[in-house]
Amino acid sequence: EPEVTQTPSHQVTQMGQEVILRCVPISNHLYFYWYRQILGQKVEFLVSFYNNEISEKSEIFDDQFSVERPDGSNFTLKIRSTKLEDSAMYFCASRTGTGMYEQYFGPGTRLTVT
Amino acid sequence: GENVEQHPSTLSVQEGDSAVIKCTYSDSASNYFPWYKQELGKRPQLIIDIRSNVGEKKDQRIAVTLNKTAKHFSLHITETQPEDSAVYFCAASRGGGSNYKLTFGKGTLLTVNP
Repeated sequence: EPEVTQTPSHQVTQMGQEVILRCVPISNHLYFYWYRQILGQKVEFLVSFYNNEISEKSEIFDDQFSVERPDGSNFTLKIRSTKLEDSAMYFCASRTGTGMYEQYFGPGTRLTVT
Repeated sequence: GENVEQHPSTLSVQEGDSAVIKCTYSDSASNYFPWYKQELGKRPQLIIDIRSNVGEKKDQRIAVTLNKTAKHFSLHITETQPEDSAVYFCAASRGGGSNYKLTFGKGTLLTVNP
């Protein structure tokens, strides 16, 4: 069964550095999402992406964040200048299309900012 | 925006007993309610979902009920097994357009004791 994949599984970075988290959604899916989960807390929506543009973004998704679908398979989340509070598990999710509501999550990237 | 409350935060049952987890939501326009199971260090996995045009849905030992008037929905697990031990998250979504972002509850840690 196809699955969403994410790389790397764990990223350690210093405060102020840029990081790029990568996701490969399920191949026939059209809608893409990033969520984050701070340790021990609930999963929070960051951004949704469809037809090569952002559909919606949360308050968390400020100017330090950006998303891109650079080719037909990858979907990336960039954090320009990381802060300590960006430390979290970042999940990518994808969904098929209109009328299909199910979102499938990747295994996550654990980001640790020191 | 949508707010999802989930309780209890922890639930411990004996193997073979039933477990019930309850969620309430605030946005009357929400029409899709999935449940995710997350084992330690792993991705959230969709286990069952329900749309607002249905009051109940069952899949083997798990079932979900929805009360639109009261704006609450519940997960029922019967004949629990140790492998059911995990964190369970409920979520709500307002369907339509290109969004379908999920708003999650805080999660319930279910422990099934052999």
